[in-house]
Amino acid sequence: AQTVTQSQPEMSVQEAETVTLSCTYDTSESDYYLFWYKQPPSRQMILVIRQEAYKQQNATENRFSVNFQKAAKSFSLKISDSQLGDAAMYFCAYRRSAGANSKLTFGKGITLSVRP
Amino acid sequence: DTGVSQNPRHKITKRGQNVTFRCDPISEHNRLYWYRQTLGQGPEFLTYFQNEAQLEKSRLLSDRFSAERPKGSFSTLEIQRTEQGDSAMYLCASSLGRTVQETQYFGPGTRLLVL
Repeated sequence: AQTVTQSQPEMSVQEAETVTLSCTYDTSESDYYLFWYKQPPSRQMILVIRQEAYKQQNATENRFSVNFQKAAKSFSLKISDSQLGDAAMYFCAYRRSAGANSKLTFGKGITLSVRP
Repeated sequence: DTGVSQNPRHKITKRGQNVTFRCDPISEHNRLYWYRQTLGQGPEFLTYFQNEAQLEKSRLLSDRFSAERPKGSFSTLEIQRTEQGDSAMYLCASSLGRTVQETQYFGPGTRLLVL
């Protein structure tokens, strides 16, 4: 079974600074997808960024980028120029590539606070 | 595209009562997922539909839980004889499962409190 581990329950960053959120996972499969989802307080979960395991290039979406280390099974999220609106719970998630069921396996999440 | 909607947003019930939640996916999304999220945890998969067919159920889904997706549109999740341990946020997500790059879009969730 696949597992996703987020060992840091909370992190804090100064506005305009950079923060990195860690995630490790375990799988025996070679092809899969990894995601970072953001869940603001009392609001719905939205996709921040996605990484395909077969791609060596790290995904980037504006101020958000990932450091994907396939051999180490590590998938960290870097948020640059942090903004107050980035404060939320962030979840790392895994999905198999093959098969009809594309269910997501989530980590426990990390609460990010942004200091003005 | 109005997004995934869920109703009700909040539900308080007494132990032993039955509750039903509804999820309306993004139109034309053929895949629909239900997840459960307890406080301080990440969402956990409950069940999955492709069109109207329920293709997988998690071991978390006891026989008190039942889900349907008639006609492949909206879905309902019913919990019978609720227990305090059922208190959680129930999330619905939908996706267009035509490519391996499919993205799941989540609804706002239904927060259930069992007294």
